[in-house]
Amino acid sequence: QVQLQESGPGLVEPSGTLILTCAVSGDSVSSRNWWWSWVRQPPGKGLEWVGEVYYDGRSNYNPSLRGRVTISLDKSKNHLSLKLASATGADTAVYYCARDPIAGRETFDYWGQGAPVTVSS
Amino acid sequence: ETVLTQSPGTLSLSPGEGATLSCRASQSVSSSYLAWYQQKPGQSPSLLIYATSSRATGIPDRFSGSGSGTDFTLTITRLEPEDFAVYYCLQYATLPKTFGQGTKVEIK
Repeated sequence: QVQLQESGPGLVEPSGTLILTCAVSGDSVSSRNWWWSWVRQPPGKGLEWVGEVYYDGRSNYNPSLRGRVTISLDKSKNHLSLKLASATGADTAVYYCARDPIAGRETFDYWGQGAPVTVSS
Repeated sequence: ETVLTQSPGTLSLSPGEGATLSCRASQSVSSSYLAWYQQKPGQSPSLLIYATSSRATGIPDRFSGSGSGTDFTLTITRLEPEDFAVYYCLQYATLPKTFGQGTKVEIK
């Protein structure tokens, strides 16, 4: 059974760097079968795709984040990480990690429970 | 960027009724890359429909998707109590991947 679990500080100071990890079990981030994505959801609002990373390190990001975001893999720990620099209140959200199959046409088939992050002093 | 606009914002219906949710794209989306998600309060989104009309594993056949080009529809026949939730469409044909703003299906 594939499980994803996000973790990280729930509170980040303005202008600081938001750092989250997503631990994957029941699957491998080294697999060529999936991209691994982050999706966020501000309180009471809709979903926004943040970006994705592939097993070989290739990544794609949402241009709306203006170069502040980095997503990476740690194959030894079987997890992915999200770093979002220069955080502001607009970055306050629940952050989800999700698996995205390469083959077929399914997408975001497994999600973590989400990690709430508040940007505030 | 492909903008997805969902309508209506809220749908007030009774159990047993049918629901029709719309998702309109600002530019043509390959029908292979349009999905629908359900999200209940306090939970993660879950995949319902992918490639416009394919049901994800375990999704009952009262959920169906259709459409092409810029207009897509999620239809729920005979609403069950567990179907009252927020529904999002997603296009994953082009980057950045984009979601609609959601349609809330609430109990009337």
